[in-house]
Amino acid sequence: GDSVTQMEGPVTLSEEAFLTINCTYTATGYPSLFWYVQYPGEGLQLLLKATKADDKGSNKGFEATYRKETTSFHLEKGSVQVSDSAVYFCALRQGYGGATNKLIFGTGTLLAVQP
Amino acid sequence: KAGVTQTPRYLIKTRGQQVTLSCSPISGHRSVSWYQQTPGQGLQFLFEYFSETQRNKGNFPGRFSGRQFSNSRSEMNVSTLELGDSALYLCASSSGLAGASTDTQYFGPGTRLTVL
Repeated sequence: GDSVTQMEGPVTLSEEAFLTINCTYTATGYPSLFWYVQYPGEGLQLLLKATKADDKGSNKGFEATYRKETTSFHLEKGSVQVSDSAVYFCALRQGYGGATNKLIFGTGTLLAVQP
Repeated sequence: KAGVTQTPRYLIKTRGQQVTLSCSPISGHRSVSWYQQTPGQGLQFLFEYFSETQRNKGNFPGRFSGRQFSNSRSEMNVSTLELGDSALYLCASSSGLAGASTDTQYFGPGTRLTVL
């Protein structure tokens, strides 16, 4: 079945460091891919998305490119801030048929940014 | 535009009881999905409703059920609670338009259920 694999956390970085969180997926067809972020005590917020191969999603300095050849959707940010500390989830949604909004999530990666 | 609201935010129940959680989607959204989040299993899909019909269901026992009303508000019910049902239950809403590959889901803050 479809699945998402994320790098294990926690990831601990100093402020202004470069961030990469790896995400790979297994899916039939052409899924849409998402990154969600969860701050302590809150629900999930959509960070960015990409709906087809080679699309680049971007938001708040974060970027991810949909790579079908490597089935990957790695999250990057050039300079992290303390306020970026949160749990990041990679997810996929099957695009065929459009008959479902079911999201399949990775296990989440905790990011801790130190001043 | 108001976001997704979930009530109550916190619940404490004992084993064997039942519980009902409520979700109000963003105005105009017709699809509501429910997810369970636990430290051990992560985020797991429970079910999705669109225009009062269950459109998809995850791999959960029959004790977990849901419904959607004509105003798109949704409830989920868990009967005969077990300790393992302790979790954060998240609701997400979207327009739900069939074939809309760009349809985005917006999550509520969740209901934290503790089963003692």
